[in-house]
Amino acid sequence: DAGVIQSPRHEVTEMGQEVTLRCKPISGHDYLFWYRQTMMRGLELLIYFNNNVPIDDSGMPEDRFSAKMPNASFSTLKIQPSEPRDSAVYFCASSLGWLLQYFGPGTRLTVL
Amino acid sequence: GQQLNQSPQSMFIQEGEDVSMNCTSSSIFNTWLWYKQDPGEGPVLLIALYKAGELTSNGRLTAQFGITRKDSFLNISASIPSDVGIYFCAGLASGNTPLVFGKGTRLSVIA
Repeated sequence: DAGVIQSPRHEVTEMGQEVTLRCKPISGHDYLFWYRQTMMRGLELLIYFNNNVPIDDSGMPEDRFSAKMPNASFSTLKIQPSEPRDSAVYFCASSLGWLLQYFGPGTRLTVL
Repeated sequence: GQQLNQSPQSMFIQEGEDVSMNCTSSSIFNTWLWYKQDPGEGPVLLIALYKAGELTSNGRLTAQFGITRKDSFLNISASIPSDVGIYFCAGLASGNTPLVFGKGTRLSVIA
């Protein structure tokens, strides 16, 4: 079984550029979560979807961040414009039911 | 908001030694999860605990749900080099509240 797939694995961009992170959840899972991980703040939940519908985006840091889930097998997290403080590892996780979340390998974002 | 405190923050041990780490909170949680994160990878679910007092094993790993429901413990027996990584606890307070993650315990194993 394929796990959660994220792309790209690494992204280096310049301040002000648009960044799009992609996620393919585990087939059949009905919840999808986007997290950000930094040394200072640990794992932070940004937003989650249930059956493709955004449920709670209170963790999204600013309007520069947006997430979509157009279908059950694909989600994107977009940052526009990007800033150096957005540099972090971004994880996508999915679960069947609320609890047991399975994480992808992450996208390491560096904004110069 | 709710916070989970993990201790120790980091530990260095000799291969073959047993390891203990814990996770505490000022709030009650109904479910505890333990994850391990290898360098450059995402967290991997190790153990889930659903009842106060529950003791669950996964190979050399054993985790316990504290009876106060405010803490959880993870033990690793006879550590090996591939145990290196960051171990995270996560708690679920109720219903569809988000998982709360600790900051992790970084384990290093000296061969």
